[in-house]
Amino acid sequence: NAGVTQTPKFRVLKTGQSMTLLCAQDMNHEYMYWYRQDPGMGLRLIHYSVGEGTTAKGEVPDGYNVSRLKKQNFLLGLESAAPSQTSVYFCASSTGPETQYFGPGTRLLVL
Amino acid sequence: SQQGEEDPQALSIQEGENATMNCSYKTSINNLQWYRQNSGRGLVHLILIRSNEREKHSGRLRVTLDTSKKSSSLLITASRAADTASYFCATDNFLQGAQKLVFGQGTRLTINP
Repeated sequence: NAGVTQTPKFRVLKTGQSMTLLCAQDMNHEYMYWYRQDPGMGLRLIHYSVGEGTTAKGEVPDGYNVSRLKKQNFLLGLESAAPSQTSVYFCASSTGPETQYFGPGTRLLVL
Repeated sequence: SQQGEEDPQALSIQEGENATMNCSYKTSINNLQWYRQNSGRGLVHLILIRSNEREKHSGRLRVTLDTSKKSSSLLITASRAADTASYFCATDNFLQGAQKLVFGQGTRLTINP
């Protein structure tokens, strides 16, 4: 039981490049979330999903897109990376209105 | 916008001492959670306290909630070096059927041996 895993762990992009971050969970959770964490800012919600095939915007969705084609996977895409998107990205999942389980994070550096 | 705000931002104590962190929030909540984050790692859930509860214990952790003051505190007793981490409070609201957590900026706790 791996819990929540994230791929890749670290990535460097040039401005304008695109990439996809993958989150996978093996706990059969309905809800999945993408957050970004910046120094001194805590975690901010980017997008979330309440079930397979559904997605919704969070607090800071601009510049990101998501897809939830399979229940266990939640993909976060950056179509045209900007230096302001340099951050640590965390995925989380939950089965209901309580505990969220977090992945180990992806460090992204946009030059 | 940040719902929860932790205080202090950083705390350094000696091993064996107690550590207290505070969290204040702005709007009404269903529950409040505390998470721990070790350096470079993901967040780990510690404890949840519901809005109709005033105090909750889990091992060396004690959480209090005062909804009239919109504040919570996390007490770690008999601290250990392994408790060195950042601690975040998170308040919830429900959005389109999903729980949305709003995190504070965290308290960075250092336990000195």
